[in-house]
Amino acid sequence: QLQLVQSGAEVKKPGSSVKVSCKASGDTFSSYAISWVRQAPGQGLEWMGGIIPIYGTPDYAQKFQGRVTITADTSTSTAYMELSGLRSDDTAVYYCGSPSPDWVSHYFMDVWGKGTTVTVSS
Amino acid sequence: ENVLTQSPATLSLSPGERATLSCRASHSVLNNYLAWYQQKPGQAPRLLIYGASTRATGFPDRFSGSGSGTDFTLTITSLEPDDFAVYYCQQYGGSPTFGRGTRLEIK
Repeated sequence: QLQLVQSGAEVKKPGSSVKVSCKASGDTFSSYAISWVRQAPGQGLEWMGGIIPIYGTPDYAQKFQGRVTITADTSTSTAYMELSGLRSDDTAVYYCGSPSPDWVSHYFMDVWGKGTTVTVSS
Repeated sequence: ENVLTQSPATLSLSPGERATLSCRASHSVLNNYLAWYQQKPGQAPRLLIYGASTRATGFPDRFSGSGSGTDFTLTITSLEPDDFAVYYCQQYGGSPTFGRGTRLEIK
């Protein structure tokens, strides 16, 4: 099973971009589906997209197509989520997550990072 | 997009009572790839159920998941104080989506 450590909080201006990292340890990173999920203040969970590093091709929720880029670096066991064209309603906690070891290629989350708070404000 | 509708939005019960939470999908969930999560304030969600009925590590058998196709249920028998939280369902049979959550509160 993976352990996931996310990068620290960010404050961004509207229109800019943010890149959040998620460093994995503990198992074969490249085989696990890594999901990115966000949660705006007081709101529910929203799946943004994911990647299985060994395959390399990301999957995106339709809502975020064209604005989010998810990548993975197998040499450092790190996944990245970059969101561009930031707006105030992108203010949220951004989580990365990975599934259980017996279900490595599935986009559900057994292990979660602690979350990265992204604040978009002028 | 497979839209998940959770009901009720809020459920008010007392410790010791039984909770039944519903998650209905707009399209059949492939292979019943349906998960449930528990979230408490200020914490990341915690996986509770996956594959519609497989309980994740650390949760007692008071928690059970059932259902197939488009209708899924999370049942918590004999509620304990620590069970009061928000519960989300998620389907991962296609492009993943979450329901909007059910808040389980103490009556």
